[in-house]
Amino acid sequence: AQSVTQLDSQVPVFEEAPVELRCNYSSSVSVYLFWYVQYPNQGLQLLLKYLSGSTLVKGINGFEAEFNKSQTSFHLRKPSVHISDTAEYFCAVSPKIYNQGGKLIFGQGTELSVKP
Amino acid sequence: EPEVTQTPSHQVTQMGQEVILRCVPISNHLYFYWYRQILGQKVEFLVSFYNNEISEKSEIFDDQFSVERPDGSNFTLKIRSTKLEDSAMYFCASSADRGSEKLFFGSGTQLSVL
Repeated sequence: AQSVTQLDSQVPVFEEAPVELRCNYSSSVSVYLFWYVQYPNQGLQLLLKYLSGSTLVKGINGFEAEFNKSQTSFHLRKPSVHISDTAEYFCAVSPKIYNQGGKLIFGQGTELSVKP
Repeated sequence: EPEVTQTPSHQVTQMGQEVILRCVPISNHLYFYWYRQILGQKVEFLVSFYNNEISEKSEIFDDQFSVERPDGSNFTLKIRSTKLEDSAMYFCASSADRGSEKLFFGSGTQLSVL
């Protein structure tokens, strides 16, 4: 079984400041890792994903995340946030098992609030 | 960019009533999914659907739930007799290939059971 823990439910930050949203996971099998973003009144949008290869992955809107296998973490970072980054961010994993394609296990979400 | 469309955006129903949530997946996609998010809780997988049958379902997806692809474009989730605890945001998703890395999500239907 898999589980995902997002360590911060809310992260307030000032505009142009750096931000890190933390995500840890546990799994008995290898997993793919994802970050999704949900803007108000919108659906879940894929921000970035780690499938294999380089542990530093870059996504849309200037976000990046680093996969750390030893610490089972996949923290999301942005060096300078904008007001428009205000949203809920979800970390998710999916087992690398063919017959479980499409099954994502989500964390509880982190609400990023960017203030002017 | 193609998108997954869900209707209605909000649905209010009385406990015990049947409700159907509708989704139009991206046109060339073959795999379909429903997820839900109860307020304040995690987004949870409900069911995956391929080739007109359920591929996998979670323990949440009991006999009160059913899914159907009634025609070539719609994908529906039916709850036969709604309970208060069914109140949640329901997300539809689709993908062209089997693989979680290629899911596209809709904007969700907020279901409120009174």
